[in-house]
Order: sequence, then structure tokens, then C-alpha cells
Amino acid sequence: GAGVSQSPSNKVTEKGKDVELRCDPISGHTALYWYRQSLGQGLEFLIYFQGNSAPDKSGLPSDRFSAERTGGSVSTLTIQRTQQEDSAVYLCASSLREGPENIQYFGAGTRLSVL
Amino acid sequence: AQSVAQPEDQVNVAEGNPLTVKCTYSVSGNPYLFWYVQYPNRGLQFLLKYITGDNLVKGSYGFEAEFNKSQTSFHLKKPSALVSDSALYFCAVRDRTGGFKTIFGAGTRLFVKA
Repeated sequence: GAGVSQSPSNKVTEKGKDVELRCDPISGHTALYWYRQSLGQGLEFLIYFQGNSAPDKSGLPSDRFSAERTGGSVSTLTIQRTQQEDSAVYLCASSLREGPENIQYFGAGTRLSVL
Repeated sequence: AQSVAQPEDQVNVAEGNPLTVKCTYSVSGNPYLFWYVQYPNRGLQFLLKYITGDNLVKGSYGFEAEFNKSQTSFHLKKPSALVSDSALYFCAVRDRTGGFKTIFGAGTRLFVKA
């Protein structure tokens, strides 16, 4: 596709359930990022993938959060045993290659609501 | 540690007037600086970035930003605001020393009144 695609756009789940959020980066982009945007907060870095390198998971808030990127393209963010404080918009971004000056292209996000 | 501060939660401007959205940062060494904009129900979009060179950077939609090293600021400006500029603006910083992690500010909501 032309841009970063995220699905679902909205997800409502019950506390304690697991959820999977999907991100399709722009074709050819080797770097992929996940962020969390809570109401009134800036973007909180979660995890970063670059090519075949080991991902940097330093931003994941707890061991209930995990992510993988298959084939260097699609990424899935999994939240296990969801809690109400996990409610937020989860944003995915990709960039053409890694370099701190590179522009990130963002998807529209997945709005997660944990009841 | 890297940090970004956007001291104003909200900025109100009349259409046609100049606008400024403030950003200050803290990073070891020289930074890469970015502004992104988030329109309602849409993803973040890149506006402009400072890498090196001229301290005044021009970006999309008539926006510009001035890098001030002594004040560690990167304020976003536009000479004449449009109602369509109303959105949420994020300042972001990355460390040149090799870190990939981008630190975003909390965002400033801009309201432009007709």
C-alpha cells in the first residue's frame, strides 16, 4: 500500500484478555517502530525493529507486552492479560532505513479500549 | 537522558496572525530535531526537521522552525495561520550519537479561529 497500515482501527476488549495489533509498514522500509499515545500524553516509545538486527525492546512497559516482525515486513504487537491502563492509541511507524535523521511515516493507529 | 518539553498544552491564534508553538529539548551533544503534526482522526505527519546547517528550517504547509542552540529550542512558526492548521503538534528529538530512539513531546494543540 501507499502508507503504513494498522489494523484494527479500533479494538474493545475485556480486562484480562489478550489482544494483537497489526502493522504493515511501507514496502521497502527496513525500520519499524511502535509507540503508545495515551490521552494527554506524548508518544511513548515501545519497541524498534531494524532489518535483521535484534529489536530494541527497552520501551516495553511490562512483560505482558511483546512484538515480532515476520519476514522483515509485517509486525504484530501483542498485549497479554490486558489492563485498563493499557487503553491508548497504539501507533506504528516505519522509515526507509535506519539513521537518526530519517523521517518516520506513521499509521493511523489502533485505538485500544480495555473495559 | 533525552527529553523534550512543549510548555503550552494549547495555543489559540486568529486566522491571518502569526503563530508560534514552543519546544525546548535536552540531549547530550547535538540533536536531530523534528516537528510532526496530527490532524483529527489521522496519523502523524512529518512537517520539518533540523539536521545541520541553516538554523531556520522550512517545511510543509508554510511552516518553519528556528534552531537555537544556546537556548536549546526549536520553536515552530508560521507567518499567517490558517483555520486548517488547527491540529496537534509534536516536537521530537533524536541523539546524533547513534541512538535510534525518538523522544516526543507531549504535544501542543493549536486552535486557529476564523
